[in-house]
Amino acid sequence: DTGVSQDPRHKITKRGQNVTFRCDPISEHNRLYWYRQTLGQGPEFLTYFQNEAQLEKSRLLSDRFSAERPKGSFSTLEIQRTEQGDSAMYLCASSRQGQGAKGTEAFFGQGTRLTVV
Amino acid sequence: EDQVTQSPEALRLQEGESSSLNCSYTVSGLRGLFWYRQDPGKGPEFLFTLYSAGEEKEKERLKATLTKKESFLHITAPKPEDSATYLCAVTIAGNNRKLIWGLGTSLAVNP
Repeated sequence: DTGVSQDPRHKITKRGQNVTFRCDPISEHNRLYWYRQTLGQGPEFLTYFQNEAQLEKSRLLSDRFSAERPKGSFSTLEIQRTEQGDSAMYLCASSRQGQGAKGTEAFFGQGTRLTVV
Repeated sequence: EDQVTQSPEALRLQEGESSSLNCSYTVSGLRGLFWYRQDPGKGPEFLFTLYSAGEEKEKERLKATLTKKESFLHITAPKPEDSATYLCAVTIAGNNRKLIWGLGTSLAVNP
């Protein structure tokens, strides 16, 4: 296992179209996260899964965004009716549950760069 | 409000010129502090985790330290390949899953 894998690496879409991104986490990691990052900013938390359960979702996430992790392995992030403001890098990360805080480092994929035109 | 502040925003060094990056935090109970390196167009690459004041971690030319208010990332004799954005993030008591991020320090090392 070489790390967190995201597909596609780049996506250009027209405003109003739907897009879906995939993330394959590190195989022994049961936690999976989605973040969004724009230029010059730190990553912004979107949502978090433990196994197949979506346990937390950012209040900033509109109803156009939905994420799934149906079998507790890979995850998908869908954006419906895309807007130009959705243009960003979408990052997926995974981690172990760990003992308390220790051992819970998040490892990131290379991201999906979305451009809405 | 939980907050992470990094300084400077940008730093330009000559090859071999050692320096330090700062990450100060104001949070309600620190669980862990994380340093990442990010190259343009790529995801963050994990470097270090620090859990308690006084802890230090080293990797090649990088050394991370932690106090009760801040962390430093010391870069000794940097090389051009150390050029990147260095991001600091924390997790807090009661929610050790979600990372709270600083805006990063953009480091450029000139040959």
